[in-house]
Amino acid sequence: GQNIDQPTEMTATEGAIVQINCTYQTSGFNGLFWYQQHAGEAPTFLSYNVLDGLEEKGRFSSFLSRSKGYSYLLLKELQMKDSASYLCAVRDSNYQLIWGAGTKLIIKP
Amino acid sequence: IAGITQAPTSQILAAGRRMTLRCTQDMRHNAMYWYRQDLGLGLRLIHYSNTAGTTGKGEVPDGYSVSRANTDDFPLTLASAVPSQTSVYFCASTSGGATDTQYFGPGTRLTVL
Repeated sequence: GQNIDQPTEMTATEGAIVQINCTYQTSGFNGLFWYQQHAGEAPTFLSYNVLDGLEEKGRFSSFLSRSKGYSYLLLKELQMKDSASYLCAVRDSNYQLIWGAGTKLIIKP
Repeated sequence: IAGITQAPTSQILAAGRRMTLRCTQDMRHNAMYWYRQDLGLGLRLIHYSNTAGTTGKGEVPDGYSVSRANTDDFPLTLASAVPSQTSVYFCASTSGGATDTQYFGPGTRLTVL
């Protein structure tokens, strides 16, 4: 079966750096997405990786290793507004998105 | 409007009743999707439509039906609601292009009693 694994919850301090990991086992691979979802709101797109390596976008970076079935989202200079759930999703061979359950990130002052 | 809208925002429904959740997008996206999101689970695909006039079943289609008469609208119908259909429902559409990113509507919170 297809599976996306992410930690359920993480806690970090304002101003620090946090890395959220995602491992996947899917039928085929056509890209990996990270989304941010604040409580009670819709998911919003953060990043997309299809080739191995690091994609940097401001304070957020996303890394992919296809051979290891592994990705991480790196958040730098954490702000209180970064408190949210972070969802990892992989597009499979049928071009459908398979979603992880999300990682709830709690930022403490 | 800009983006994707969903209606209603929330609804409490008696079991056995019929309910249609509405979704409209003005971005001229071809593909549209319905997901449900439950605590502790990832988003699960209910139905999708790759283009107007076509629909397909996702991971959890039972008890739900969809139609896609035109590009903009993609309603989701619960023919006879059951308590296990209590969930938050998100409609999404994809942008096409290299990343084909999914964009989400604000969601409908449905409670079936």
